[in-house]
Amino acid sequence: EIVMTQSPATLSVSPGESATLSCRASQSVNRKVAWYQQKPGQAPRRLIYGASTRATGIPARFSASGSGTEFTLTISSLQSEDFAVYYCQQYNDWPHFTFGPGTKVDMK
Amino acid sequence: QLLLQASGPGLVRPSETLSLTCAVSGDFISSNDYYWAWIRQPPGKGLEWIGSVYHAGDTYYNSSLKSRVALSVDTSKKQFSLRLSSVTAADTAVYYCARHGTIWYYFGMDVWGQGATVTVSS
Repeated sequence: EIVMTQSPATLSVSPGESATLSCRASQSVNRKVAWYQQKPGQAPRRLIYGASTRATGIPARFSASGSGTEFTLTISSLQSEDFAVYYCQQYNDWPHFTFGPGTKVDMK
Repeated sequence: QLLLQASGPGLVRPSETLSLTCAVSGDFISSNDYYWAWIRQPPGKGLEWIGSVYHAGDTYYNSSLKSRVALSVDTSKKQFSLRLSSVTAADTAVYYCARHGTIWYYFGMDVWGQGATVTVSS
């Protein structure tokens, strides 16, 4: 099983600042990584697939990069609605998907 | 617009079988481009993929749950289902249904249901 890890567990950021979240895979997953945002009491929402492609309707302040085992999600100029938990997911081992443990972005 | 609606008992006794159904709006369930998945989230924890089912009946399961899980699809009723046997307190979670693409057409899990909370307790 491909294990996904994320760091940091919690990131405290002020509105208007940028946040950089990291995700690492236990083996190469090429560029087959998706990112999701989850707010309390809600289902996850797809943000990114293919390591760097924004899903339809996702604001441009969300950007992502990476390949192999190292991936990054950057949120520039954080808005109040961006405070949430973010999960990365690998699908290189389709459909045996695995998710990272999540990074919580909270307000400083 | 595709909508998914998970439903089922909110309380299941230990050692019994958890059964959930996800209703799929429209005629999407028979699409050749998508699979239908279950993902769960224990309280305060992360996401765990349980398994995926295709409209033709193909299934894939998380190896850690494979001995206890069965997914099925009923295209005439526009729904797919999850059965998890011999449940314990560790199976207490919010259970989400979601859609995802095939191996050649995967763009993440793009549509999610609202989640069904299941508590395992006597």
